[in-house]
Amino acid sequence: EAGVAQSPRYKIIEKRQSVAFWCNPISGHATLYWYQQILGQGPKLLIQFQNNGVVDDSQLPKDRFSAERLKGVDSTLKIQPAKLEDSAVYLCASSRLSGTGNYGYTFGSGTRLTVV
Amino acid sequence: GQQLNQSPQSMFIQEGEDVSMNCTSSSIFNTWLWYKQDPGEGPVLLIALYKAGELTSNGRLTAQFGITRKDSFLNISASIPSDVGIYFCAGRSNTGKLIFGQGTTLQVKP
Repeated sequence: EAGVAQSPRYKIIEKRQSVAFWCNPISGHATLYWYQQILGQGPKLLIQFQNNGVVDDSQLPKDRFSAERLKGVDSTLKIQPAKLEDSAVYLCASSRLSGTGNYGYTFGSGTRLTVV
Repeated sequence: GQQLNQSPQSMFIQEGEDVSMNCTSSSIFNTWLWYKQDPGEGPVLLIALYKAGELTSNGRLTAQFGITRKDSFLNISASIPSDVGIYFCAGRSNTGKLIFGQGTTLQVKP
């Protein structure tokens, strides 16, 4: 099966500019996650969708970050305006409906954002 | 918030040696996961643990879910150069959210 697709792979922007990332999950996966991974750290969840509804956005900086998954399939994550500390890899992951057992939780290759 | 403490932070070993890394949490998790991340890629699942006390193997990898549900370890036996990478532990909440450790960077000298 095809994996989680993300684009672009790399992005360099100046601070205060806007940027958007796109994710297409594995077909049939109802749950979609956006993680932020700062260099030298483990990924941190920003937002979790179940179909097109938000399950958890408690760690999303809502003053500058937004995300949507309008049709319950692909998703976009936006930063406006960007700050230097937003430089990180943004990982998208998807899974079947969560529960015990193997539910196909798969990560994409990520988008590396550099804010200068 | 929930935090995972992973150790060691980095390891530099000789090919053929065994490796051990562990992870502790201030909170209980019902699922523990171990991932490997190569440069420029997302984390890839190595082993998933679903029950306290569970010991699971995947080739040269062995992981255990601590009986307190607050810790886990990963062992790699007879390391090879392709084992190089960053290894992460993660605890999974009931909603599917993953809480990651800080990672262990493994380097293997041929």
